[in-house]
Amino acid sequence: DSGVTQTPKHLITATGQRVTLRCSPRSGDLSVYWYQQSLDQGLQFLIQYYNGEERAKGNILERFSAQQFPDLHSELNLSSLELGDSALYFCAAMETPNEKLFFGSGTQLSVL
Amino acid sequence: AQSVTQLGSHVSVSEGALVLLRCNYSSSVPPYLFWYVQYPNQGLQLLLKYTSAATLVKGINGFEAEFKKSETSFHLTKPSAHMSDAAEYFCAVSLYNNNDMRFGAGTRLTVKP
Repeated sequence: DSGVTQTPKHLITATGQRVTLRCSPRSGDLSVYWYQQSLDQGLQFLIQYYNGEERAKGNILERFSAQQFPDLHSELNLSSLELGDSALYFCAAMETPNEKLFFGSGTQLSVL
Repeated sequence: AQSVTQLGSHVSVSEGALVLLRCNYSSSVPPYLFWYVQYPNQGLQLLLKYTSAATLVKGINGFEAEFKKSETSFHLTKPSAHMSDAAEYFCAVSLYNNNDMRFGAGTRLTVKP
């Protein structure tokens, strides 16, 4: 158990809908990353937050957004969902200063 | 921006044989380099990390990796494969003081009995 909690574990929804994925890092972890993993695209970095502020952006679509709250949990919002958004979404928290990432077990999103 | 390229999306070895998973990096400044392992239906776990303290890095489960600046490589090895090593392995890179970690496409390791 990495200590990083992601909910829900599975999510099934329809095209055009909006969903919110939640991530709770370990106590003291200020930095949270979101990744998308799919068979065709591999593990893609989406976005990083550090202590409530956006720090880096990767291949995140405009339909997607994220935020990190004062208690350091983070949410990834996916809207106007398309079939191609079906993937495993991982959250990871970084332990500093050794930059070790701890991954959650992921949220499997299925868009039907 | 920094990046890594993993050579070979699938590697198959026999139990007891040498495991070699290849990773090349691209970075404008000295990088931090990582190997992560992902077992089915699980998140990624850190195997080892290079931070310039030593070029040969030993990790968990008998894995090690050698940083070669001249070859911009950070290949992962294990002298003797075990069935439990079957998993997907990811090489990753980040820059010092820049918490932007990028992963390679992954290499799926199969271990044959």
